[in-house]
Amino acid sequence: GENVEQHPSTLSVQEGDSAVIKCTYSDSASNYFPWYKQELGKGPQLIIDIRSNVGEKKDQRIAVTLNKTAKHFSLHITETQPEDSAVYFCAASTAGGYQKVTFGIGTKLQVIP
Amino acid sequence: DADVTQTPRNRITKTGKRIMLECSQTKGHDRMYWYRQDPGLGLRLIYYSFDVKDINKGEISDGYSVSRQAQAKFSLSLESAIPNQTALYFCATSDSQLALSTDTQYFGPGTRLTVL
Repeated sequence: GENVEQHPSTLSVQEGDSAVIKCTYSDSASNYFPWYKQELGKGPQLIIDIRSNVGEKKDQRIAVTLNKTAKHFSLHITETQPEDSAVYFCAASTAGGYQKVTFGIGTKLQVIP
Repeated sequence: DADVTQTPRNRITKTGKRIMLECSQTKGHDRMYWYRQDPGLGLRLIYYSFDVKDINKGEISDGYSVSRQAQAKFSLSLESAIPNQTALYFCATSDSQLALSTDTQYFGPGTRLTVL
């Protein structure tokens, strides 16, 4: 089955700096890679996703990159703000049917004002 | 109103007790899931259901059972709770039509369960 590894488990950055979270996956059949943000006391919420036919996707201050050959994908947050502080999960799945969505262990991001 | 609701939000129970966690959704999605979250282990799938008549085990189903009472309702039961089932439990939904291109999961707010 799929295995998703996520690094780092915790990350502290100064407000305004960039944050990068990295994930690797094992199943070459995976073709859909979402990122979820979990704020304190809430359930995870999708913030951005990427499919395997795209190498990069941006949405304002967040971007995701995908390297299919190396089987890794990353989340980039620029100009971090205190409200970016949360736990971020990467995930991998095979869209188009049902394959179990496999999540990484999560990264706790702290943005220091 | 929230699209995916879970009850209760917090529960403390004792070892050996039976407990049920409930999930309701107003999104009209056909797929529903139960996950547990533990520090350092991320989100792990307990059970999932593609429709009312479909129930499937996830990676950690031992000690749990589920019931899909209607398209909008999916409950998780612990028949005899034990301390290592102390965790944060999330219900989630997704849409099989949208899953043709994406498989976005919509999560409820979670239930914090403590088994003493």
